[in-house]
Amino acid sequence: EAGVTQSPTHLIKTRGQQATLRCSPISGHTSVYWYQQALGLGLQFLLWYDEGEERNRGNFPPRFSGRQFPNYSSELNVNALELEDSALYLCASSSFGVGQLTDTQYFGPGTRLTVL
Amino acid sequence: QQPVQSPQAVILREGEDAVINCSSSKALYSVHWYRQKHGEAPVFLMILLKGGEQKGHDKISASFNEKKQQSSLYLTASQLSYSGTYFCGTESMDSNYQLIWGAGTKLIIKP
Repeated sequence: EAGVTQSPTHLIKTRGQQATLRCSPISGHTSVYWYQQALGLGLQFLLWYDEGEERNRGNFPPRFSGRQFPNYSSELNVNALELEDSALYLCASSSFGVGQLTDTQYFGPGTRLTVL
Repeated sequence: QQPVQSPQAVILREGEDAVINCSSSKALYSVHWYRQKHGEAPVFLMILLKGGEQKGHDKISASFNEKKQQSSLYLTASQLSYSGTYFCGTESMDSNYQLIWGAGTKLIIKP
């Protein structure tokens, strides 16, 4: 079974540009989560999509946005890039777990975004 | 509120044991444990559910003390492959189906 895939692997942009990151969940998973992980730091929750709708977003400015497509793949857009946006962006998809409120999340390899 | 992981980092010799703790100020419904190796994605290890049993596979196990609102991850007879950063993700009734992540514990295993 294929895991979560993300593209591109690396992305280099300059300040003020826009970045688009993509994620394909595990087949059968309907939820997609996006996280930002700055170098050496923990996971900061960005966005959660389920069944095509945004269910929750973390404490990030509106220039971080995204969407989920009918095939459950997802896209994260970051507008007006700033230097501090440089980070590893991880996508995770989830499956329903009996007895759990929050599903187990399976992570993709991430996109390394560098803003110059 | 972010759970507190301790220690922040630990260095062991191969074969030694380690305990990583995850404490929350909230009443927890579950705790999820992940390991992230350098340059790789976090990998799911196990989930501890409220009212559930202690979990484990291979030489990695975990417990969940609901009263103390904490979970502990036990790594026995550590192997080089255990190196990485361990994250706990907690959920509570008011976390809106989100995992709240700890800052991570970096584990270094030396031969």
